Amino acid sequence: EPEVTQTPSHQVTQMGQEVILRCVPISNHLYFYWYRQILGQKVEFLVSFYNNEISEKSEIFDDQFSVERPDGSNFTLKIRSTKLEDSAMYFCASRQGHTGELFFGEGSRLTVL
Amino acid sequence: GIQVEQSPPDLILQEGANSTLRCNFSDSVNNLQWFHQNPWGQLINLFYIPSGTKQNGRLSATTVATERYSLLYISSSQTTDSGVYFCAVEWGWNDYKLSFGAGTTVTVRA
Repeated sequence: EPEVTQTPSHQVTQMGQEVILRCVPISNHLYFYWYRQILGQKVEFLVSFYNNEISEKSEIFDDQFSVERPDGSNFTLKIRSTKLEDSAMYFCASRQGHTGELFFGEGSRLTVL
Repeated sequence: GIQVEQSPPDLILQEGANSTLRCNFSDSVNNLQWFHQNPWGQLINLFYIPSGTKQNGRLSATTVATERYSLLYISSSQTTDSGVYFCAVEWGWNDYKLSFGAGTTVTVRA
């Protein structure tokens, strides 16, 4: 069964460093998303992406964050200068249309020291 | 925005017991999904169920969209069912992102 894959599964970084989280969405999907979950809290929407541009972003998604689809398969989330409060589980998701079932990856745990 | 409330917040079960988790939402939805987050933090898709009833093994779910709630049933629970169960919805028109509830933490004891 096709699945969304994410790398790395866990990354530890120093405050102020740049981090890139990678995702390979399901191959025929056109809509891509990043969500975030701080430990012990709800899963929160960060950003949606379609047709090579951001469709919607939350208040959390400030200038330190960016997303890119550098080729036909990868979808990346970059945090330019990490802060302690960026420590969280980051989930990538994708789906075929702008509505319908959303398929999540297993997550990338980011720890900022 | 839409409010998603899950109950109970915590549930402790003896292995083999049955249980029902509830998700209430404050407005009409065009998508509702249930997820299981395992102890490693991974989110597992359980059901895509904006309306109706579905079953998958020992799990089943029912959404009554007109009354704005969904139920997740766990039958003959096993220790591997432990974790956090999240309900997430997409709200009516022009909202193309999931809003998650706070989750129900389920602990199944052997």
